[in-house]
Amino acid sequence: GAVVSQHPSRVICKSGTSVKIECRSLDFQATTMFWYRQFPKKSLMLMATSNEGSKATYEQGVEKDKFLINHASLTLSTLTVTSAHPEDSSFYICSARTSGTGELFFGEGSRLTVL
Amino acid sequence: DAKTTQPTSMDCAEGRAANLPCNHSTISGNEYVYWYRQIHSQGPQYIIHGLKNNETNEMASLIITEDRKSSTLILPHATLRDTAVYYCIVRVTGGSQGNLIFGKGTKLSVKP
Repeated sequence: GAVVSQHPSRVICKSGTSVKIECRSLDFQATTMFWYRQFPKKSLMLMATSNEGSKATYEQGVEKDKFLINHASLTLSTLTVTSAHPEDSSFYICSARTSGTGELFFGEGSRLTVL
Repeated sequence: DAKTTQPTSMDCAEGRAANLPCNHSTISGNEYVYWYRQIHSQGPQYIIHGLKNNETNEMASLIITEDRKSSTLILPHATLRDTAVYYCIVRVTGGSQGNLIFGKGTKLSVKP
């Protein structure tokens, strides 16, 4: 199947700093990517839908000014957690949708720990 | 997208078949049944999907009832590495939205 890569896989930062997480589709073009957040022992919660060349669509309750999403190319979307706080510590997962069949493939996830 | 109902947890002996049920009684005619699994601290992994016919691939088999209101994922010979949370999701493939709505899934524990 198609490959989606996330970087970094783990990041630890101090409270108040910003962290950028990258999501790349390695062998296909993805016009749409999705960002999820997962807290311990919970299911994945959709945060936002990222469309190449346009503004992201955020789910209710997700602050767009705190979670900045950029989808500048067909193979890269980034999520920036601004002014991170300990409650932002979570497992962030992206998925990318193929333009042909519309299948979804997931990245390996990025674990953010805010001290 | 339609909601699904799955048992919270299941156990299976290593080498035996694991049968994971899913109810999706409000599924629409154009919605597919997808199965993903998530091993601890990893991203979800695609397993299989189907519309109304039974499907089989190298990982699993998917049995969908004739009325499409429920389905069963079958891992024919479960191994310890199959221990994971299994998610049953219904969605319209290639739709304008296309995102996956995750429920709580079934935590499958394969025991030696």
